[in-house]
Amino acid sequence: ETGVTQTPRHLVMGMTNKKSLKCEQHLGHNAMYWYKQSAKKPLELMFVYSLEERVENNSVPSRFSPECPNSSHLFLHLHTLQPEDSALYLCASSQVLDPYGYTFGSGTRLTVV
Amino acid sequence: LAKTTQPISMDSYEGQEVNITCSHNNIATNDYITWYQQFPSQGPRFIIQGYKTKVTNEVASLFIPADRKSSTLSLPRVSLSDTAVYYCLVGDKGSSGSARQLTFGSGTQLTVLP
Repeated sequence: ETGVTQTPRHLVMGMTNKKSLKCEQHLGHNAMYWYKQSAKKPLELMFVYSLEERVENNSVPSRFSPECPNSSHLFLHLHTLQPEDSALYLCASSQVLDPYGYTFGSGTRLTVV
Repeated sequence: LAKTTQPISMDSYEGQEVNITCSHNNIATNDYITWYQQFPSQGPRFIIQGYKTKVTNEVASLFIPADRKSSTLSLPRVSLSDTAVYYCLVGDKGSSGSARQLTFGSGTQLTVLP
């Protein structure tokens, strides 16, 4: 399988649930990212991992917890979310010095009820 | 990262050429200009990137004037499937050990009509 794969594609969770989003890249990239895209809003950068170390937090609430066990995998652990956290969560990867930008996954559509 | 300004929306008809212009007045010497395309409920997809003059690939052309304070994405003979949001981004390659962080604006919603 090639590219950036995100699972699940759709997720509905209650505010008291704990769930995780998974991202896997097969491109040999060494940087991975989580973005959030709410309805009618620009993409918001949440977390950046470069060479498996987190380099950006962007004041994301602690109910979102990222994990990058290796350069190919990225997780976003979710707990006690709010309805306003409903959004499309996008994972992307890149080479640190690659001028051709990111490769995005198809995203996880999250609905918090 | 340099701030970019692009139209909020554009309409076109099938078969026409579409040009979307992006302004980036404070572009830095090391900055590249990159365009992405995003369909609803999907991640953005890289279209084209350039530094100066003109770049062309199988999908689009990118025109960059000598002062690099703006750029124009040109889509030849658009079809209904080209309806999407198009983002213009400006930034450098990043430094060793530091990932390149792309900041997306609101983009341009292109609607292709039959």
